[in-house]
Amino acid sequence: DVKVTQSSRYLVKRTGEKVFLECVQDMDHENMFWYRQDPGLGLRLIYFSYDVKMKEKGDIPEGYSVSREKKERFSLILESASTNQTSMYLCASKVGRRPSEQYFGPGTRLTVT
Amino acid sequence: AQSVSQHNHHVILSEAASLELGCNYSYGGTVNLFWYVQYPGQHLQLLLKYFSGDPLVKGIKGFEAEFIKSKFSFNLRKPSVQWSDTAEYFCAVNPHRGAGSYQLTFGKGTKLSVIP
Repeated sequence: DVKVTQSSRYLVKRTGEKVFLECVQDMDHENMFWYRQDPGLGLRLIYFSYDVKMKEKGDIPEGYSVSREKKERFSLILESASTNQTSMYLCASKVGRRPSEQYFGPGTRLTVT
Repeated sequence: AQSVSQHNHHVILSEAASLELGCNYSYGGTVNLFWYVQYPGQHLQLLLKYFSGDPLVKGIKGFEAEFIKSKFSFNLRKPSVQWSDTAEYFCAVNPHRGAGSYQLTFGKGTKLSVIP
C-alpha cells in the first residue's frame, strides 16, 4: 500500500511565524502535490513537483513556497504565516509520467492565531 | 481556466435510497476523471477513475460513474446507500495538456448524510 505521511495532524502557529509542513511518501513516486482544503471550496492546488528540485506553481501559490531535496520528501513553507492561511493542508503523491490516481496523506490542520 | 462543478452542496438521504451526485467540467479536450471520498476523520481516498474505454466505470463499495463526453459530465451513482456512506465526495478532473500535466482540479465537494 502507498503511504503518504505528514509530520503533524494539528499545528498552531502565531501570525508572522515561519511554518514548515513536511510530507513523506514511501512508494518512490515522482510527483508530489500540496493542496489546501477549506469548507465549501474543495481542494485547491498550491504547488506541485514532478522531480527532485523541480517545482511548479498551482492555483494559489501566493504566500507559500516549497522544497524538494529528496524524492520522497516534499515540504511546504509558509514564510510569514497569516490568519487567512488557517486551513487543512493535504499532501499527495502520484507515480510517474502516465495517468494514475493521486494518493493523499491524512492532512495537517493548521491554525494561525 | 477549467472548472469542475458539483451541483449539490449537501445531500440527505435515507438508507436504501438511490444516490446520484452530479459533476460537470469545462475542459473541452481529453480528460482523466476521478471521484474521491473523505469519510469523517479519514484520508481522502479514491472511489473510482476513468481514463479511457467503457464510459461506465465501477468503483469500490458499490459505486459507479458514467462519463458522458457530450455533456462534459461524470456523475456518481449508487443504487442503495448505507449509513456508512456518510462522507464528503469530490469530483476531480485532470485535463491532458501534454507530458507532465498531472494536476487535478477538484470540485467543491458534496456532503452526503445518510439517515438510518
